[in-house]
Amino acid sequence: AQKITQTQPGMFVQEKEAVTLDCTYDTSDPSYGLFWYKQPSSGEMIFLIYQGSYDQQNATEGRYSLNFQKARKSANLVISASQLGDSAMYFCAMILYSSASKIIFGSGTRLSIRP
Amino acid sequence: EAGVTQFPSHSVIEKGQTVTLRCDPISGHDNLYWYRRVMGKEIKFLLHFVKESKQDESGMPNNRFLAERTGGTYSTLKVQPAELEDSGVYFCASSQDIGRPSGSGEQFFGPGTRLTVL
Repeated sequence: AQKITQTQPGMFVQEKEAVTLDCTYDTSDPSYGLFWYKQPSSGEMIFLIYQGSYDQQNATEGRYSLNFQKARKSANLVISASQLGDSAMYFCAMILYSSASKIIFGSGTRLSIRP
Repeated sequence: EAGVTQFPSHSVIEKGQTVTLRCDPISGHDNLYWYRRVMGKEIKFLLHFVKESKQDESGMPNNRFLAERTGGTYSTLKVQPAELEDSGVYFCASSQDIGRPSGSGEQFFGPGTRLTVL
């Protein structure tokens, strides 16, 4: 069965520290994509970063990087130099290209940045 | 370029009433998706439109939910009659492509509609 697991319901991090949000996934499909979305208190879902299953290099977008370990089926999000504005809910998600449609979400991690 | 918009942002109704949620996707996006997150649970897929056609409605919980996308532009999601367990946040998303080989299939999300059924 296809599934996304985020084992950290909540995390507290000191401002300017790096933080890693864990995500593991389960699928037998060879072709898939992994996303991270940020949901601030205002409620909108903001796309952060994408990793394709065939991509050789780990994705990076500014302060965000995705630590993709295909054999372990993990796709952890690393935020470097955290900022107060990073406080939000973070969702790991997977899209299966064989089904060509739905995104499967994890339960989310609430990240709180301490000043 | 305008993003995905949803209306209303909040809706409070009583059990048994009808509510209609609206989603306007990004212009030119043929793919439109509905998701919902009920309290404390994962965001779950409801259905997927390609233009005006329902491509996948496997996530629709029951026949009290009806989604339409007439003309392939905006979409509505009607809940009739609403039940207490329908409370949650309903997200709409749109995408230009559905993924490989044409792209990542990134879906752009709207701000959601928070539905409370009393």
